[in-house]
Amino acid sequence: GEDVEQSLFLSVREGDSSVINCTYTDSSSTYLYWYKQEPGAGLQLLTYIFSNMDMKQDQRLTVLLNKKDKHLSLRIADTQTGDSAIYFCAANTQGTYKYIFGTGTRLKVLA
Amino acid sequence: DVKVTQSSRYLVKRTGEKVFLECVQDMDHENMFWYRQDPGLGLRLIYFSYDVKMKEKGDIPEGYSVSREKKERFSLILESASTNQTSMYLCASSFRGSPLHFGNGTRLTVT
Repeated sequence: GEDVEQSLFLSVREGDSSVINCTYTDSSSTYLYWYKQEPGAGLQLLTYIFSNMDMKQDQRLTVLLNKKDKHLSLRIADTQTGDSAIYFCAANTQGTYKYIFGTGTRLKVLA
Repeated sequence: DVKVTQSSRYLVKRTGEKVFLECVQDMDHENMFWYRQDPGLGLRLIYFSYDVKMKEKGDIPEGYSVSREKKERFSLILESASTNQTSMYLCASSFRGSPLHFGNGTRLTVT
């Protein structure tokens, strides 16, 4: 069945860039999302990309999509301690109600 | 901004109790969802609704039911709470094909 995979942990130093990677299996995925979850809270939508795009930039966030390899990445520039959280990648196919989530990458930012 | 409000952040209930988790959204979204989130298992879909009084089972509906009498409100019901239903419950809403917008979650403990 459809699957979305992410690495479990990432540790970076404050001020460095963070790159969180995600792979998905469903080639019909139309939308790919990045969510952030802080401790004890729900998921906050950070950004998303449509499958006919290669890149999307939004302030410190850059999303890259390699549709051929079914690989998505989220780059956070100038990472801050407030960026410490769990980041989820998710995929959805247009016209369906099914959103497939990865298990999340826990980002730790060291001061 | 979309606001999805879950009525309780924390709930403690006893085994066998009937439990209601309430969720309200203010953006006139057609679709509403209930997920549970458990460590190592990610987000799993319990039920979703695409219109008033309409509902569909997700991946793990057993032991749960839902109610959607008004467009803005989606309730999750645990008919007879059990300890294996201790979890974080997340409500979300969306227009069709748009990103999910999540509430802050309800952490339910069943003792």
